[in-house]
Amino acid sequence: DTAVSQTPKYLVTQMGNDKSIKCEQNLGHDTMYWYKQDSKKFLKIMFSYNNKELIINETVPNRFSPKSPDKAHLNLHINSLELGDSAVYFCASSQGEGRRPGNTIYFGEGSWLTVV
Amino acid sequence: AQKITQTQPGMFVQEKEAVTLDCTYDTSDPSYGLFWYKQPSSGEMIFLIYQGSYDQQNATEGRYSLNFQKARKSANLVISASQLGDSAMYFCAMREIANAGKSTFGDGTTLTVKP
Repeated sequence: DTAVSQTPKYLVTQMGNDKSIKCEQNLGHDTMYWYKQDSKKFLKIMFSYNNKELIINETVPNRFSPKSPDKAHLNLHINSLELGDSAVYFCASSQGEGRRPGNTIYFGEGSWLTVV
Repeated sequence: AQKITQTQPGMFVQEKEAVTLDCTYDTSDPSYGLFWYKQPSSGEMIFLIYQGSYDQQNATEGRYSLNFQKARKSANLVISASQLGDSAMYFCAMREIANAGKSTFGDGTTLTVKP
């Protein structure tokens, strides 16, 4: 059983298209995240949701819109894809939004997005 | 200033030897957590070890131990008896309560274990 699963794992798409990445966690966690890892392997948080409420929204273009239908799911929709959006997108989850810093963040396997 | 600094972009170690991966951090929050993750070439992010700012003892998990020096703000990862499968990228991360629990990651260290 995969604890944090995201689909698709690989996505190749043309500039200008709109695409979504889905994420589900079966750990019973109440907080979910989206991270972006660029070609240099730098890992940056994009969004965080706690019990379906947005709590962290880093400076990302508004073409990126997260949606959390329930606390087990956090999807990422990207409009008008650009070449610079090519990256690996990681979904993650943890219990607690950080009031206890020891709540480990568990990652999904990543979604490799290539924009051509 | 960078919150998490990993000064070693790449490291080599001989199989069966120990290796230390450096991590220094910057925070004024008295309550924080430090994590290490491993990212093999397959791409997944694997949690290795956690150290809390109030923990008195250094964390250990199997062959992994965390050398926590609070006054120096360092949290180095020690891997004992390196194995070929330890070849991967290693990320140090910090979570601060005052920062809405946001995790900040270092730039990573690529470890290569030589046979």
